[in-house]
Amino acid sequence: EVQLVESGGGLAQPGGSLRLSCAASGFTFSSYGMNWVRQAPGTGLEWVSYISGNGNTIYYADSVKGRFTISRDNAENSLYLQMNSLRDEDTALYYCARDRFSGYGSPRLRDYWGQGTLVTVSS
Amino acid sequence: EIVLTQSPGTLSLSPGERATLSCRASQTISNNYLAWYQRKPGQAPRLLIYGASSRATGIPDRFSGSGSGTDFTLTITRLEPEDFAVYYCQHYGSSLTLTFGGGTKVEIK
Repeated sequence: EVQLVESGGGLAQPGGSLRLSCAASGFTFSSYGMNWVRQAPGTGLEWVSYISGNGNTIYYADSVKGRFTISRDNAENSLYLQMNSLRDEDTALYYCARDRFSGYGSPRLRDYWGQGTLVTVSS
Repeated sequence: EIVLTQSPGTLSLSPGERATLSCRASQTISNNYLAWYQRKPGQAPRLLIYGASSRATGIPDRFSGSGSGTDFTLTITRLEPEDFAVYYCQHYGSSLTLTFGGGTKVEIK
């Protein structure tokens, strides 16, 4: 059974940092691209960042570029999101999500999601 | 940018009844890249249908998807107690960003 379990959320001050983790199990982790997606209170889901299975291809949403860093450890079946220079607007429930398909030009279908970890940025 | 409009906003039904949810796109969705998700509070989003009509792994056959072009439907043939939730359609393609409809809440009548 595919499982994704996020951790690392909590309260941070504006300008502070947090590191989110996503522990994956039930599939060959290195074969799949992974994403971080967030949902702020009262809003829809917003894609944050993507990393390919081998870690060589990385993308960020403009809203987090230069502040967040995505990474993965395939030996540990883990995905990470280092969040620096946090802003109030980064307050959200953060999900990790697996890409169903891989390869150049493949459609971006996220088939498995974790339950999310809550990040609150407030002074 | 494709806009997805779901209807109705809320569906009040009893267990055992049939639920029919609609999703209309503002322009043709190529390759039928249309998915349906179920969302419950405190739980991970659950992929039900992709490619407009393909059931995801482990999804019961009471869930079915149909449609093409701009009009798509999710049908739940016999509602089980665990099916009362909010359902979203989503267009997926080569873009990394997410495009969801506004959702249909299926509630117990």
